[in-house]
Amino acid sequence: DAKTTQPNSMESNEEEPVHLPCNHSTISGTDYIHWYRQLPSQGPEYVIHGLTSNVNNRMASLAIAEDRKSSTLILHRATLRDAAVYYCIPTNAGGTSYGKLTFGQGTILTVHP
Amino acid sequence: NAGVTQTPKFQVLKTGQSMTLQCAQDMNHEYMSWYRQDPGMGLRLIHYSVGAGITDQGEVPNGYNVSRSTTEDFPLRLLSAAPSQTSVYFCASADARWAQYFGPGTRLLVL
Repeated sequence: DAKTTQPNSMESNEEEPVHLPCNHSTISGTDYIHWYRQLPSQGPEYVIHGLTSNVNNRMASLAIAEDRKSSTLILHRATLRDAAVYYCIPTNAGGTSYGKLTFGQGTILTVHP
Repeated sequence: NAGVTQTPKFQVLKTGQSMTLQCAQDMNHEYMSWYRQDPGMGLRLIHYSVGAGITDQGEVPNGYNVSRSTTEDFPLRLLSAAPSQTSVYFCASADARWAQYFGPGTRLLVL
């Protein structure tokens, strides 16, 4: 499994953009980069995933470096509901590893009113 | 759609007791899995299934059994509960894009 490095914690103010970085220098060419978040006392929630190109959805944007060794999750306007632990998870979509999510410690995002 | 549902929400067991944690999904997903989350830690994969009749072990399978007789249901059985199994258990299912959807969790306390 590819190792990931994320900041332990980050802070933001409400309605400001947030850029959550993740280093995954040992990622393989077939690993997708998944992002999940976990709000307090809830199960993890899928946010976004991508392979090589930048991706956008209604929740966030994912910017993937050209060498794929790092990625950044972008929340365009943070709300109080975005306060959560954010996990960056490289996932192999094929072979015997597909579907298996390896959760690290993630980044605790605090959003201030 | 109800998504992924889990029952019970909370359970207290005595050491040595057995029980089944229920998980169901109504999204017709083939892939389902069980994770446990200990305090202050990330989730760890217990067992997973790629379709009805097919299951396999994850990272921490000891003490747990699973079966998958239907696409919708994926129960997790604790054979003889131990205090080390005190945890929060999450069930998940994955869609065709491998986005996974998690249930609300079952909080288990083993005394």
